[in-house]
Amino acid sequence: IVLTQPPGTLSLSPGERASLSCRASQSVSSSDLAWYQQKPGQAPRLLIYGASSRATGIADRFSGSGSGTDFTLTISRLEPEDFAVYYCQYRETFGQGTKVEIK
Amino acid sequence: EVQVVESGGGLVQPGGSLTLSCAASGFTFSTCWMSWVRQAPGKGLEWVAEIKEDGSVKYYVDSVKGRFTISRDNAENSLYLQMSSLRAEDTAVYYCARVVVTPTFHFDYWGQGRLVTVSS
Repeated sequence: IVLTQPPGTLSLSPGERASLSCRASQSVSSSDLAWYQQKPGQAPRLLIYGASSRATGIADRFSGSGSGTDFTLTISRLEPEDFAVYYCQYRETFGQGTKVEIK
Repeated sequence: EVQVVESGGGLVQPGGSLTLSCAASGFTFSTCWMSWVRQAPGKGLEWVAEIKEDGSVKYYVDSVKGRFTISRDNAENSLYLQMSSLRAEDTAVYYCARVVVTPTFHFDYWGQGRLVTVSS
């Protein structure tokens, strides 16, 4: 299974809504789809598991949705600390990541 | 507090060997799958290997099969990655991560990572 995360970079302003896409090359189980955030020089941090469940301590502006081959991570209002790279993951496979940068 | 802390790493020549260690605390290590994930400089995340709670089952990405060995010592709450026949393309930050396999599959706690550089 290949996970594709278009586009490679999203340029947005603080306060805007971000919708990040993750597309699987074939239908996958939603229960095994997760999202991570990574900032420069830091380890990845689990945001969403089971496609839509927030991990412990994750702000409610982060939400996940989708099924089959199309999944979305939504950040309702971007805070300054949300500018980072986001990866989707299905079992042992990671997408290539989407960088959310300040416009 | 759950913590996983890697140690080891550094500079090694092509064809050389190196072992990474990961010390776990704050959870019952012997009941958890564990994994190694790596990230080449400026690149994305790549799963490398994982090991079952009791060490009886191990999986590897194709590119490291026969060269890397994942192991664990539940008495010491420690995870290891023995790397041999190292290549330039193995250069990366290596992360130790706890794996949740049921009812959903994800990596919930990550170490800070250790850099392995393969270069002459």
